[in-house]
Amino acid sequence: AQRVTQPEKLLSVFKGAPVELKCNYSYSGSPELFWYVQYSRQRLQLLLRHISRESIKGFTADLNKGETSFHLKKPFAQEEDSAMYYCALSGRMDSSYKLIFGSGTRLLVRP
Amino acid sequence: NAGVTQTPKFRILKIGQSMTLQCAQDMNHNYMYWYRQDPGMGLKLIYYSVGAGITDKGEVPNGYNVSRSTTEDFPLRLELAAPSQTSVYFCASSIPGTGNTEAFFGQGTRLTVV
Repeated sequence: AQRVTQPEKLLSVFKGAPVELKCNYSYSGSPELFWYVQYSRQRLQLLLRHISRESIKGFTADLNKGETSFHLKKPFAQEEDSAMYYCALSGRMDSSYKLIFGSGTRLLVRP
Repeated sequence: NAGVTQTPKFRILKIGQSMTLQCAQDMNHNYMYWYRQDPGMGLKLIYYSVGAGITDKGEVPNGYNVSRSTTEDFPLRLELAAPSQTSVYFCASSIPGTGNTEAFFGQGTRLTVV
């Protein structure tokens, strides 16, 4: 079954500390993986996608097909990074595309 | 460019009442989705549509209905509201499988059923 797993509900770090938000997926094929972010009381917005291999706001994520992981990393967390982060997978399921999400990780960056 | 627009932003319903959550997009996206966001549970897919006239169930469709008469609009209908449907509802649209598959989200509808 297709699934996205984010094992941590809450990740609390101090400003300047490294951050790693974990994401594992289950999918029989070649999925597209994304990280979406939701700041307080705002709509979800795309942070980054695996195919572009870019760094956004200092965040990077590498797709590891062997470990079926797509962890989100940032070397030095900032207070403004505090938000809800969702890992998402888009792929063909039952003849059409679906976009499914993990349960989310709340990142809290303390001063 | 409005993107994805949801109405209303907030609503309180009594048990057994019905309502329609509206969603419209102006990006000519073929795919549209409805999710519910429960605390600690992430986003669960309720229904999705691959184009006008075509809809399909997601993970949690019970208690909901949808229609897609146009590319732009994808309303979500609650026929007999129940407390278990208290949640935040998000509509989204995208064009998957094209290499530019970013999903755009509405601002959400916070629904409370009492």
